[in-house]
Amino acid sequence: EPEVTQTPSHQVTQMGQEVILRCVPISNHLYFYWYRQILGQKVEFLVSFYNNEISEKSEIFDDQFSVERPDGSNFTLKIRSTKLEDSAMYFCASSDRTRRGTEAFFGQGTRLTVV
Amino acid sequence: GDSVTQMEGPVTLSEEAFLTINCTYTATGYPSLFWYVQYPGEGLQLLLKATKADDKGSNKGFEATYRKETTSFHLEKGSVQVSDSAVYFCALRGAGSYQLTFGKGTKLSVIP
Repeated sequence: EPEVTQTPSHQVTQMGQEVILRCVPISNHLYFYWYRQILGQKVEFLVSFYNNEISEKSEIFDDQFSVERPDGSNFTLKIRSTKLEDSAMYFCASSDRTRRGTEAFFGQGTRLTVV
Repeated sequence: GDSVTQMEGPVTLSEEAFLTINCTYTATGYPSLFWYVQYPGEGLQLLLKATKADDKGSNKGFEATYRKETTSFHLEKGSVQVSDSAVYFCALRGAGSYQLTFGKGTKLSVIP
């Protein structure tokens, strides 16, 4: 069964450093997403991406975040200068369309720890 | 804005017990509603969904009915198994939106 894969599963970084979280969405999907979950809190939407541009983003997704699809298979989330409060589980997701009821397929997540 | 409220966990049940996890939502228009499940060490998986009022989503013995009058989408299962132990997330997608809005998740532990 096709799946969304994320690497690494766990990343530890020092405050102020840049990190890149990587995702390989399902191959025939066209819509890509990043979500995050701070420990004990809700899963929060960060950004959606379609046709090589951001289609929707939340207030969380400020100038320190960026997304990119550098080739035909990868989808990345970059955090330019990490802060302690960026520590969270980051989930990548993809879907083949956005009609009502469309399922988003999620990866297993990358746990980011900023120290 | 849109929001989802689900009952706080953790919930611990004995095998074969009846499960209800409450979920209510606030949204404009007619959102689509989802239950996702996260098994230990895995990503979020869609469990079931409903796209309009009075729709019932069902999968693996779980059911939830889209109740517009009470803005609810409660998850139920008649007889839980140890393998159902996981975290369950209620979510909605607003009309015309790309994003899912999630509840905080409810951790279910089923003991033999």
